Amino acid sequence: DTAVSQTPKYLVTQMGNDKSIKCEQNLGHDTMYWYKQDSKKFLKIMFSYNNKELIINETVPNRFSPKSPDKAHLNLHINSLELGDSAVYFCASSPPSGSMVFGPGTRLTVL
Amino acid sequence: AQSVTQPDIHITVSEGASLELRCNYSYGATPYLFWYVQSPGQGLQLLLKYFSGDTLVQGIKGFEAEFKRSQSSFNLRKPSVHWSDAAEYFCAVGAQETGNQFYFGTGTSLTVIP
Repeated sequence: DTAVSQTPKYLVTQMGNDKSIKCEQNLGHDTMYWYKQDSKKFLKIMFSYNNKELIINETVPNRFSPKSPDKAHLNLHINSLELGDSAVYFCASSPPSGSMVFGPGTRLTVL
Repeated sequence: AQSVTQPDIHITVSEGASLELRCNYSYGATPYLFWYVQSPGQGLQLLLKYFSGDTLVQGIKGFEAEFKRSQSSFNLRKPSVHWSDAAEYFCAVGAQETGNQFYFGTGTSLTVIP
């Protein structure tokens, strides 16, 4: 009964490639997020969606594009991958005025 | 501007000793406050949260935290640390007024020595 799931767990790819990370939550939460965690463990919010609508879009290169086909899914597509994109990407969800539940993370390595 | 500060990058304690991890925040709205724990190679797990009411909140794994509005702090405590508590700890702040926008501190890495 995974609450927030992400696929894949690991992603190794070459510079310049395009890749996607998928996220699904079965908690019925209205809001979903993407966070990036760098090698120093710093967590930075990238995007937030509420009921399929973008509500937070931090300063992120436009090579990153989130897509929310429905309230339970928030996918992250990355074009033209760069070395600096290597990080762990976490999906999360939350109810209104509630705490976030995180997925297990996707470790992206760009070679 | 909203911010969360965790002054201690790394803390080492002996097993059985008490623990306090510091968190200070700067937030214009009425804050919601959280502590999350991240074990190596794992996602983030919620330890406890404060929304309103009693300023001393109890969490999982024997942790507690106290909200002190006058000091803009939300320090995490545990009376007796176990080796399995070794992990990265993150303080986070959010608010209903800002549409569930959450900000995280930079984390405190806890090492437990036998």
